[in-house]
Amino acid sequence: EVQLLESGGGLVQPGGSLRLSCAASGFTFSIYAMSWVRQAPGKGLDWVSGISSGGSTYYRDSVKGRFTISRDNSKNTLFLQMNSLRAEDTAVYYCAKNRGGIPYYYGMDVWGQGTTVTVSS
Amino acid sequence: DIQMTQSPSSLSASVGDRVAITCQASQDISNYLNWYQQKPGKDPKLLIYDASNLETGVPSRFSGSGSGTDFTFTISSLQPEDIATYYCQQCDTLPLTFGGGTKVEIK
Repeated sequence: EVQLLESGGGLVQPGGSLRLSCAASGFTFSIYAMSWVRQAPGKGLDWVSGISSGGSTYYRDSVKGRFTISRDNSKNTLFLQMNSLRAEDTAVYYCAKNRGGIPYYYGMDVWGQGTTVTVSS
Repeated sequence: DIQMTQSPSSLSASVGDRVAITCQASQDISNYLNWYQQKPGKDPKLLIYDASNLETGVPSRFSGSGSGTDFTFTISSLQPEDIATYYCQQCDTLPLTFGGGTKVEIK
């Protein structure tokens, strides 16, 4: 069964850090791009970051310099290191598999169940 | 960033009705347009990719059309299990951007 399982969410103070993980199974992880998409409470979907099969990384402007996406193909795991967190980063964070090897030009056909990040003092 | 304008933001229809949702991109995105379904408390599900291609396993009552800047998503015969919020998403240019969503309810 194709599956993505996120972990690492939690409550953190403004300015703090969290590292999200996404364990993939049931498909050849290394040949697909992966993305992180977030959803603030009661709001729509926002793409946060993506990484190609070759390791090229991409970010939305509001997280550039604060978030780092990475992948460990030997462990079929995607990561998102989040530093200098702000209240507006509060959201459910989903990892998603892209249909191709780059995060653009292709839709996202497998999603995890999400992990909740709350930034509050 | 490419803006995706989706309408309506919500709709109420009867079981068996034909339902249509439109999505307009702020610039030409060719056919790099996807449609997702998100049920309450669940993760999104890809229904349509490349504007008109049905994802494997998705019922044929769902369809998509359009290219360039104007796109339409249609449910040919609304079913009770289709209650959800639907999002369009462009994948032509980073950052990937989504429409604001359309909440579909049963009348």
